[in-house]
Order: sequence, then C-alpha cells, then structure tokens
Amino acid sequence: EAQVTQNPRYLITVTGKKLTVTCSQNMNHEYMSWYRQDPGLGLRQIYYSMNVEVTDKGDVPEGYKVSRKEKRNFPLILESPSPNQTSLYFCASRRQETQYFGPGTRLLVL
Amino acid sequence: KQEVTQIPAALSVPEGENLVLNCSFTDSAIYNLQWFRQDPGKGLTSLLLIQSSQREQTSGRLNASLDKSSGRSTLYIAASQPGDSATYLCAVSRGSTLGRLYFGRGTQLTVWP
Repeated sequence: EAQVTQNPRYLITVTGKKLTVTCSQNMNHEYMSWYRQDPGLGLRQIYYSMNVEVTDKGDVPEGYKVSRKEKRNFPLILESPSPNQTSLYFCASRRQETQYFGPGTRLLVL
Repeated sequence: KQEVTQIPAALSVPEGENLVLNCSFTDSAIYNLQWFRQDPGKGLTSLLLIQSSQREQTSGRLNASLDKSSGRSTLYIAASQPGDSATYLCAVSRGSTLGRLYFGRGTQLTVWP
C-alpha cells in the first residue's frame, strides 16, 4: 500500500530536549516536505526537499533542521524545542502534482 | 506573498443539501489548485486538482471550479451526506516553486442526518 508514515504520532517533551520526527514514503517520490498546522494559521511549510541531498527552507524554517540522505526518508529535527513549536506536524511526498500526506505528529513542548 | 482565504470557516447543513465552499487567492500566477479533505486526527486526502489552464474538475459528487483571473475557486458538493463531515482545505501551488503549497485555513463542514 502506497503511504507516508510518521513516527511518533504523539510526543510530549520539555524545552531544550532534542527530538527527531521521522517520515518515510514507499512510493519512490523525489519531492518531500514538512508542514505544521496551527489553529487560526492553517498549514505552513517548514522545509522541503526536491531530491536526495537537496533541501530548502519553506515559510517557517526557524528552529528546525532536516536531512535527506536517502530518497524514502525525510526526518524533521528540533535541536532545542521551545513551547512555540507545539503543533501538529505533517510530512508529505509528491508524485507529479498530487501530494500525499502522512497521518500527522502531534507535539507538545512543555 | 500568496494568501489563501476560505469562506465560510464553518458550515452546518442537513443531509441531502447541495453546498458550495469558497476559496480565494491573492496572486493569480498559480500553477495549480487543490482541494483536500482532513478528518479529525488524520492527515490530508487530495480530492481534486485543477491545473491553471483548466476551468473545472469533477469526481463523483464533487465539482471544483477555478477562475484564475479573479483568484477564486469553488468546491461544490452535491447531495451531502454525514460522511462528508470533515474540514476542507484549499491550496495553491505557484509555478516558480513547484510543489510548495499555500493553504487556506479550511472550512469545517458538518452534515447532520
């Protein structure tokens, strides 16, 4: 089954404790991206990757890092999480013009 | 910067009604426009994609139209059902940065039996 998976689905952490949210797709898509969704603000793009070793900033990249060492994986790294990064995070991959979204990761930073 | 607005923010209708969701965008230089559905606790599912050169797309009871020059799109849902209850999101992609989507805040739809 074609899908985008994210782990963990739910995470509670404390300020400053580094964390990684993993994203994996099994469709051999070149393009992958990360979004965050916040009430009243909608979905905003954090980072995207056009292919292996090619990444670029989206609209809200501050406080985040990404890497793309292999085509199927695109992890999102929060080196020093802060409470304003509490949000719902979505990973997506793209085939032609259709985007496929993961189920989301709900993060709470205390 | 592209801004996408969706009206109304919430809509509650009885089963069987035909309804229209609206989406507007500020920069008409778009590559395509997509409508997504989001169910609580789940990700987004692509419903319809309209290329900038197209005027509409249909899938089952759903019909999406696009008027690029006026910066508007509508999603028409015919004969609504309780299973249609979800949040509907509109997103546009700009030609200069293929793949990046600019989302509206969504319309939360409730269809009651």
